[in-house]
Parts: sequence; C-alpha cells; structure tokens
Amino acid sequence: NAGVTQTPKFQVLKTGQSMTLQCAQDMNHEYMSWYRQDPGMGLRLIHYSVGAGITDQGEVPNGYNVSRSTTEDFPLRLLSAAPSQTSVYFCASSSGGETEAFFGQGTRLTVV
Amino acid sequence: GEDVEQSLFLSVREGDSSVINCTYTDSSSTYLYWYKQEPGAGLQLLTYIFSNMDMKQDQRLTVLLNKKDKHLSLRIADTQTGDSAIYFCAEAYGGSQGNLIFGKGTKLSVKP
Repeated sequence: NAGVTQTPKFQVLKTGQSMTLQCAQDMNHEYMSWYRQDPGMGLRLIHYSVGAGITDQGEVPNGYNVSRSTTEDFPLRLLSAAPSQTSVYFCASSSGGETEAFFGQGTRLTVV
Repeated sequence: GEDVEQSLFLSVREGDSSVINCTYTDSSSTYLYWYKQEPGAGLQLLTYIFSNMDMKQDQRLTVLLNKKDKHLSLRIADTQTGDSAIYFCAEAYGGSQGNLIFGKGTKLSVKP
C-alpha cells in the first residue's frame, strides 16, 4: 500500500515549456486534489476531483489543467510554464467527509 | 472568499505547553483540521474536530473550538523538540476534505 505517490520529486523547467506532474493513489479514494505551497502563503487549492470524470477549479486554477480518467490517477498539466509557477506541489486524496486526506511527498518545481 | 488565519511563529521551551490559534470564516464548515508538516515532507493529519464539538483530546493534543467566534486552537502538552514543525489549520470548504482551505501555517520552534 503505497498511499499517494507523486512524480517527479524535483523538476526544473524553462519558461514556456509544458509538463505533467503525476499523482497516483492506491486507496480507492474518490476525492483527489492538487495544492501549491509557497513561502508565507500556506497551501492553496489548484484543482480537485470528486470522482473519475469530474473535476473542478480551486482557488488558483489559472495556468493548470487536470483530468481524471481513472480513480487512481490525477495528473496536473502545466501548459506553458511561467516563473510564477515555481512552487512545491502537493497531491492529496481522501474518501470524503470527515476522513483523513493523505498527502504525497510533494514535487518541487522551479521555472527559470 | 473563505479565509483561515493563524499566527506565523511560536517559540516555546521543551516541556512547556504550546497553543496555536486559528480563526476561520466559513460558518458552514463541518470539520476543522490540524495538519503537521516537518521540513521537506508532506502534510500529516494530526487531529480534526467536528463542528458540533467544543473540545477534543487525543493524548498530548487538545483541540478547542469556539464556533461563535470561529476560533480554533491546538494545545500540545509537554512539547518536545520533535514537535518542531509547521502546523496548519484547515477547514473543509463545503464539508469535504477534497476541498481544504489552509491557513498560512504556524512555525513552532521548541528550544531545549
């Protein structure tokens, strides 16, 4: 039981490049979310999903796309990376309600 | 929009009690959470409280909720150096852990 797995752990991109941050969970959780963590800003919700085929925007969705074709996977796509997207990205999953949200170890992204 | 506020820093001596405070704005929040983040790691759920409770105790942790004032606190008894971390208060917007709103985090430093 691996929990929530994020890849890669570290990534450096040039401005304008695109990439996909991967997130997978093996707990059969319906809810999955992406957050970004910036110094002094806490965690902010980018996008979330309440089940396969269903996604919605969070607080800071601009510049990011998501899809949820399976229960297990919830990739986050940066279409054209910008320096403002330099951050640590966390994926989380939960079965909803009061149950615990499990977080991945994070992806540290630097856009130069 | 919804907001969660907490002080940024707290310093205590080993063996003392630590109290981390948080205020939130969404009166419809069903659950409120405390997460712990150690350096370079993801977030770990410490405890949560249901909105119809005033207090919850779990070993060294005590959570107090004042729903009228929308104030949440986390008390750590007999604070140890291993408790040094960033503590995040979070509310489940719309009642789901798929959509958490976090405070900016309180960095707890424990001095020997």
